[in-house]
Formats: sequence, structure tokens, C-alpha cells
Amino acid sequence: ETGVTQSPTHLIKTRGQQVTLRCSSQSGHNTVSWYQQALGQGPQFIFQYYREEENGRGNFPPRFSGLQFPNYSSELNVNALELDDSALYLCASSGAWGYGYTFGSGTRLTVV
Amino acid sequence: AQTVTQSQPEMSVQEAETVTLSCTYDTSESDYYLFWYKQPPSRQMILVIRQEAYKQQNATENRFSVNFQKAAKSFSLKISDSQLGDAAMYFCAYRGTQGGSEKLVFGKGTKLTVNP
Repeated sequence: ETGVTQSPTHLIKTRGQQVTLRCSSQSGHNTVSWYQQALGQGPQFIFQYYREEENGRGNFPPRFSGLQFPNYSSELNVNALELDDSALYLCASSGAWGYGYTFGSGTRLTVV
Repeated sequence: AQTVTQSQPEMSVQEAETVTLSCTYDTSESDYYLFWYKQPPSRQMILVIRQEAYKQQNATENRFSVNFQKAAKSFSLKISDSQLGDAAMYFCAYRGTQGGSEKLVFGKGTKLTVNP
């Protein structure tokens, strides 16, 4: 198992800018999800991709978008950053349904 | 919509003792999965234990066990023989079976401190 890796680990951006966060899923896992974890809170579901198609979305505006690639990597893009977007962003991949997700260590995004 | 509630923001336990973390959830589904995740300062969510709702037997993983009460919609985690490495945030999570999305719904977490 290669696990889930995310990059970068930390990032500081200015309000209004755009950011791309990257995730390399565990080999063989064709489902990837992204979560936003604000300080002191549990993770909130942003969206999920299955075989490169979005198949579920949480209560996040369209400026949050994603891509999934055939090589098990994926991206989370956030446009027009707001101060409230400051959070830990977690990527999680899953293979067989119901067996729980494997999470990465996250990207800590700070918007100033 | 499903919700998960963890009513204990913080808990502490002495090393080698037993501690129980509480979780309740709300759902109209009859089939679903429940999880406990551990998040140490390294930030990575680590799966501790999972429970299928259709199974009456409580899940057990070494020192970790759950008390799953489906009718009461309760899913508590018991940690036996607590170790210093158990100190972390613990999150209870729910995943339904309806629709194509496999999203997890998390509680707000319980911070566990283990005292030597």
C-alpha cells in the first residue's frame, strides 16, 4: 500500500486568489473525496469523485471544484479565496465500498 | 439529513485505565456504516474501528471496542488499557447506503488526554 499523500502541507494565500491542492490516492482506489476541517470542528464533505466523475457534493459553492485523473491523483481548486476558507483540507480515497476511507495528512490553507 | 453528535468535547484517562467516548447519530436509513477515526497532531485521520448497522455483534479491534445500540442510535467507543499513544482527537462518523455518494458525516470530535 502506498497510502494517500497530499501536497503542499502548508499554504498561505491572499484573499481573492486561487489555489490548487493535490492528492495522490492509494493505488487501486477509484473513489476520492475531499473534506474541509475548520479549526476545532469535524471534517465537512466537499465532494467526491468516482472514476473521474463527480458523484456527490456537499454544501459548498461552485468556486470549489475538483478533478480526478486516471493515475489515482486528484486536485481541489478553490477560486476567489475568502478568509473563511482557511482550514485543513483532507483528501481520502476508498476502494471496496464500506471499508472506510484512507486519509492523507491534509493541506493547511491560510487565507490572509 | 444525517447528523452525528459527540457530547464530550474533552475526556481524560489514566494510563492503563479504560475510557468510553460517546456518539449518537440521527438517520432515517436502516442500513449504514459507523466509524471511529483517530486524528493525532500529525493530522492524518486513522481508522480505528468500523461497524455495519446490519450486524448485531459489536465490533472489536484489539483494545478498541464499540457498544452499538441501533434502536437508541448510539455508538460509543471503549478504549481498554489506555496508552500514551492513544492521546488524540477522536471522531465518530456515519456513512449511509442510499445514493451514489459515499460521504462521511462527522461529529465535532472528542479530545482524549492520557495521563501517565
